[in-house]
Amino acid sequence: AQKITQTQPGMFVQEKEAVTLDCTYDTSDQSYGLFWYKQPSSGEMIFLIYQGSYDEQNATEGRYSLNFQKARKSANLVISASQLGDSAMYFCAMREGLGSSNTGKLIFGQGTTLQVKP
Amino acid sequence: DAGVIQSPRHEVTEMGQEVTLRCKPISGHDYLFWYRQTMMRGLELLIYFNNNVPIDDSGMPEDRFSAKMPNASFSTLKIQPSEPRDSAVYFCASSYETSGLQETQYFGPGTRLLVL
Repeated sequence: AQKITQTQPGMFVQEKEAVTLDCTYDTSDQSYGLFWYKQPSSGEMIFLIYQGSYDEQNATEGRYSLNFQKARKSANLVISASQLGDSAMYFCAMREGLGSSNTGKLIFGQGTTLQVKP
Repeated sequence: DAGVIQSPRHEVTEMGQEVTLRCKPISGHDYLFWYRQTMMRGLELLIYFNNNVPIDDSGMPEDRFSAKMPNASFSTLKIQPSEPRDSAVYFCASSYETSGLQETQYFGPGTRLLVL
C-alpha cells in the first residue's frame, strides 16, 4: 500500500538559512506524483511544488526545490533563505497512479512543523 | 481568480444535530475532493467527484456522512446525526483534468467543525 513518511515532527531554522524537510514514500506504482503543501497557523493548505515520477529534473518554485531521489524513494523539500513567514506545518503527499490508473487520491504524511527563528 | 470557497468557516453544533458543509470549486475544475483533518488521523480523503459523479466514497466513515454534487459549481457534505468524534477540519479541494491526467489539487480554507 502507498505510504508517505515524514520523520521530523518539528524543525527549527535560523532566518535566512536553508532547511530540508524529509519525505520518503512507498509505492509499487511506476507512475506517481509527489506534492508539498504548506499549512500556516491560519489553517489553509497551500500548494508549493510538484514532482512527477518521470521528471528527470528536480522541481523548483522560487525558494522551494524538491530533492527527488527515485531510487531511495525520497522527495525532500528544500527551502532556501528561510523567512519568518515560512513558519508553518509542511505536508508531503503522493498521488496514486497517473494516466489511465489515475485515481486522484492524495495520500498525506503526518507533517513537519517548521519554526523560523529571527 | 477566486479559489475554492467553503462555508461556513466555523461551525459549532450539538451532538445529534445535522451539519451541512458547502463547497464551491474553482471554475472549470473537473474534480472535487472532500478531506478531513484531525490530530489523530491527519489528513484523510473522504470522497471525490469527477464531473459531478462520485467516484470513490470509500473514505466516508459511516452512513451518517453523505456528499452530493448537484452541479459543477457546488458540493455539500452532510453529517446526520453529528457526534463529538466528527469534530475536525473539513477541507474541500478541486483540480483540473488535462489530457486524461489530473492536475494539482487546490484546497479551500476549510471548515472547523466542533460537535459538543
